[in-house]
Amino acid sequence: GAVVSQHPSWVICKSGTSVKIECRSLDFQATTMFWYRQFPKQSLMLMATSNEGSKATYEQGVEKDKFLINHASLTLSTLTVTSAHPEDSSFYICSAKEAGEIDTQYFGPGTRLTVL
Amino acid sequence: GQNIDQPTEMTATEGAIVQINCTYQTSGFNGLFWYQQHAGEAPTFLSYNVLDGLEEKGRFSSFLSRSKGYSYLLLKELQMKDSASYLCAVTDSNYQLIWGAGTKLIIKP
Repeated sequence: GAVVSQHPSWVICKSGTSVKIECRSLDFQATTMFWYRQFPKQSLMLMATSNEGSKATYEQGVEKDKFLINHASLTLSTLTVTSAHPEDSSFYICSAKEAGEIDTQYFGPGTRLTVL
Repeated sequence: GQNIDQPTEMTATEGAIVQINCTYQTSGFNGLFWYQQHAGEAPTFLSYNVLDGLEEKGRFSSFLSRSKGYSYLLLKELQMKDSASYLCAVTDSNYQLIWGAGTKLIIKP
């Protein structure tokens, strides 16, 4: 149980284009989903917390107009990187908290974004 | 401020035992997690401690002392596949998850 999927697993795009990453909880309902970014050899950096049906809460320093997050249902959250630039190249990982569970986060497999 | 400390890197031998320590200073405490992360992959959940003591799960055990702000992850009968980063994370009083930088564990034959 507690499986989280992400799509795509990797994407290469041109500078200036937008990329959408999907995060799905496959066998549970996730009231809260988290989006992380991880640069090589560094720890996870929380970008934003999204609650189903409400606006995402962004961490300090994360541009909400650049990283659009939508959590329209209890099983799906999307992150759209708008006008991507090479410095946005990173490993983007989502996680989900099961409704009723206190804290355990289950992670998706991650999406590797490369912006040329 | 909030802080979680773990050693940056550790090396151990296949078949041996290794203990990875984690100390934390956070505003409140609502649980401590250990995650394993292989290179290029997302973290996977290993353990959760909210009360003092030792939690054993097969080859992996996790210990917590809330009064000392201290936890450790104990890995027994090390296998080459255990080579990974081990992340300690604490939930604070606002249920925010604070992440350590991770400990890279290198297993040698």
